[in-house]
Amino acid sequence: DIQMTQSPSSLSSSVGDRVTITCRASQSITTFLNWYQQKPGRAPKVLIYAASSLQSGVPSRFSGSGSGTDFTLTISSLQPEDFATYYCQQTHSTPWTFGQGTKVEVK
Amino acid sequence: EVQLVESGGGLVQPGRSLRLSCAASGFTFDDYAMHWVRQAPGKGLEWVSGISWHSGSIGYADSVKGRFTISRDNAKNSLYLQMNSLRPEDTALYYCAKDIFLVGGTGSYFDYWGQGTLVTVSS
Repeated sequence: DIQMTQSPSSLSSSVGDRVTITCRASQSITTFLNWYQQKPGRAPKVLIYAASSLQSGVPSRFSGSGSGTDFTLTISSLQPEDFATYYCQQTHSTPWTFGQGTKVEVK
Repeated sequence: EVQLVESGGGLVQPGRSLRLSCAASGFTFDDYAMHWVRQAPGKGLEWVSGISWHSGSIGYADSVKGRFTISRDNAKNSLYLQMNSLRPEDTALYYCAKDIFLVGGTGSYFDYWGQGTLVTVSS
């Protein structure tokens, strides 16, 4: 199985900050990497698919990059509604696997 | 509006069975693959199982293979998860999720999720 490792596990930031979350795959997954946001008590919501494509309706302050084994999710200017947990997911080969999550908290 | 509504969760003893259901609406159900994803309390997301539009392609996580069975009834716009030989480590919120593709293969992602149904396995 492909292991997905996110870093950091948590971070504290302020509104307006630029935030970067990293996801590393245990083997190359080309660009078959998705990012989800989950708020407490809510279902996950897709933000980015295919490493860098923005899902319809998602604000443009979210962006993704990377290929192979190393990927990044960037929030250019953190907004109050962005405090949440973020997960990467690979869909290169089954079983589909998620990273352990990165919790973005208020500083 | 796409809606996915899970049901069937509850408290069950180890070794017993439970069947989860997911009622779908707001889209052409038999045009998409579907999945079950679970989240143990305070933990991350784990893909459990997926099924293609025509049930011809099915996959399971190793942790549930041989114990869980996914199925769908396109006439009823419903997805199911039969869970047998339940273990305490199966305790989780179980989400139903819609794939963007018919088969749900490489490059897919989950664009709609239900709110989940809680399964607690305990004596």
